[in-house]
Amino acid sequence: QSVLTQPPSASETPGQRVTISCSGSGSNIGSNTVNWYQHLPGTAPKLLIYSTNQRPSGVPDRFSGSKSGTSASLAISGLQSEDEADYFCAAWDNSLNGFYVFGTGTKVTVL
Amino acid sequence: QLQLHESGPGLVKPSETLSLSCYVSGAFVSNNRYSWGWIRQAPGKGLEWIGSIYYTGRTYYNPSLKSRVGISLDTSNNQFSLKLTSVTAADTAVYHCATARHGAGYYYMDVWGKGTTVTVSS
Repeated sequence: QSVLTQPPSASETPGQRVTISCSGSGSNIGSNTVNWYQHLPGTAPKLLIYSTNQRPSGVPDRFSGSKSGTSASLAISGLQSEDEADYFCAAWDNSLNGFYVFGTGTKVTVL
Repeated sequence: QLQLHESGPGLVKPSETLSLSCYVSGAFVSNNRYSWGWIRQAPGKGLEWIGSIYYTGRTYYNPSLKSRVGISLDTSNNQFSLKLTSVTAADTAVYHCATARHGAGYYYMDVWGKGTTVTVSS
């Protein structure tokens, strides 16, 4: 039912930069801010980026978010082995009565 | 420090009602700074938002679950609850509760519980 589309996987070598895309529509990304979550198996998802480009306290500045129109991106620079995880974008959708929607998820592999 | 902890049965029979609670410490569920929500992840699947309840009691639900879901506040015990009726095997998942911050044009879930596994099986 997800209306936010992400590539299923991305990979890069340590120290390099990887970018993950998130494609939505005018009722979600086009109208509201975007959030990104990092999820490791067996743990609670961690808020990585909120309000499109804000980092919660404790999140390294290697992680950055941006948005243009109905698409958003998460960039991870200086890739480290501990960044290997699933990443989900999310946004509020104004359609129907309003609901929050997660992206399809991207598995990042550090080669 | 805000913390959340889910509790409830780990096994539910098909067609019955799944009931979970989320105990909140470090804040009152009646606090107007927060709303409270539920998210789940089925095996091999992505994250799925179930719904949220605001401090006013107003609720928002995932359209795909709206006919079966209910979220409520229990201010006397500082917790909030999830009920999902007529469950099937497709409702087997890890269920997380979380706090949400919201305003004009923004909504994000920032503090999460560790999650509780619910299996639907006879």
